[in-house]
Amino acid sequence: DAGVTQSPTHLIKTRGQQVTLRCSPKSGHDTVSWYQQALGQGPQFIFQYYEEEERQRGNFPDRFSGHQFPNYSSELNVNALLLGDSALYLCASSPLTGNAGRRAFFGQGTRLTVV
Amino acid sequence: AQSVTQLDSHVSVSEGTPVLLRCNYSSSYSPSLFWYVQHPNKGLQLLLKYTSAATLVKGINGFEAEFKKSETSFHLTKPSAHMSDAAEYFCVVSDRGGNTPLVFGKGTRLSVIA
Repeated sequence: DAGVTQSPTHLIKTRGQQVTLRCSPKSGHDTVSWYQQALGQGPQFIFQYYEEEERQRGNFPDRFSGHQFPNYSSELNVNALLLGDSALYLCASSPLTGNAGRRAFFGQGTRLTVV
Repeated sequence: AQSVTQLDSHVSVSEGTPVLLRCNYSSSYSPSLFWYVQHPNKGLQLLLKYTSAATLVKGINGFEAEFKKSETSFHLTKPSAHMSDAAEYFCVVSDRGGNTPLVFGKGTRLSVIA
C-alpha cells in the first residue's frame, strides 16, 4: 500500500514564474491538506481539499491555489513566485470520516527553491 | 485559536540518557495532540497522539508523552536516547472534532552525543 506520494521532489524556479506541485493521497483517504515548511520553521497550513473543493484555508495569499481531482489526488499552484516562497511543501492525506484525532499521513515533500 | 509553544529550540543529550522535549499548548476546545518526528530529507512521521483516552500516551521507538490539562502541557520523553533519535521533533495540536488543520510548533532539534 503506497503512502502519500509527492512530485517532483525538488524544483528550482525563477521569481515571477508559476509552479505546480502534485500529491497522491494514501489509499482510502479522501482529504488532502497542503503545508508550507520554511527553513527552520514548523509546517504551516495552506489549505485543505475534500470532494474537489477547498474546505479550509490558512493565512496564505490568493497566489496559492489548488485543485482536487475525482481520484482524490491534488495539485498546489503558486503564481508570481517570490523568493520567500522557497520552502518544503508537504502534502498530508487523511480520511474525512472516522474517530477524532484521525491520523494524517505526510508525503516526503517537494523542495521548492526560487531564485 | 490554537497554538503550540515548544520551549526549547535545541536539546542535546548523551546516548543512553533520558530525553525530555517540552511542549505547551493553547486550545479553545478539547484538543488532539501529536508529536511528529522529521529526519533530514525525510517526511514527517507520527510518534504518538493523544485524543481523549489515557493521559499517558505511548508511541513508537520507546517515546511517550503525558497530557496534563492543568498545566496545558504535552511533554515528550524517552528513558534512554539512541543515536538514531537525532532529528527534528514537532509538537502539534488540532481540534478534536472535525478534520481541522494541524497547528505545528516551531520544532525542537534533538542532538544525541556518543
